[in-house]
Amino acid sequence: GAGVSQSPSNKVTEKGKDVELRCDPISGHTALYWYRQSLGQGLEFLIYFQGNSAPDKSGLPSDRFSAERTGGSVSTLTIQRTQQEDSAVYLCASRNRVKEPQHFGDGTRLSIL
Amino acid sequence: SQQGEEDPQALSIQEGENATMNCSYKTSINNLQWYRQNSGRGLVHLILIRSNEREKHSGRLRVTLDTSKKSSSLLITASRAADTASYFCATMWNDYKLSFGAGTTVTVRA
Repeated sequence: GAGVSQSPSNKVTEKGKDVELRCDPISGHTALYWYRQSLGQGLEFLIYFQGNSAPDKSGLPSDRFSAERTGGSVSTLTIQRTQQEDSAVYLCASRNRVKEPQHFGDGTRLSIL
Repeated sequence: SQQGEEDPQALSIQEGENATMNCSYKTSINNLQWYRQNSGRGLVHLILIRSNEREKHSGRLRVTLDTSKKSSSLLITASRAADTASYFCATMWNDYKLSFGAGTTVTVRA
């Protein structure tokens, strides 16, 4: 596609449930990022994938969070046993060359009841 | 933390006026980037300035970088209602990781 695509755009779920968020990056982009944005805040780095290298998971807030990127393209962020503090917008971004700007999707707005 | 911090947190201006927002950061950087976020949308890249550059222009945008003061400014000239958005600075201090500030919310009144 022309841009980064994220699904679902909105997700409401009950506390304790697992959720999966999907990101489809721009074709050919080797790098993929996940961020979390709480209401009125900046972006919090979660995880970074680059090609076949081991991902940088240093931003994942707990072991309930995990992410994978299959075939160097689509990525899935999974949150297990969701808590209310997980409510936020989860943004995905991809880029091509090192140190170049990132291209963002419109995010998934996650609400935990 | 490498995080950039924007100032002011919020800005309200009349259409046609200029808007200036500032960003400060803590450590040496490779580059500094400014992004815009419209309500409910993702971030859109506006401009990237490298650590060896002092000023950059793109249309109605002007960015300055002072590495000695670890600060940057974004100027939007002749503002329009469509410029209403949140603006974020992001510093790149290694090869791939960006640190974002909390943003400046700009409202342009017609």
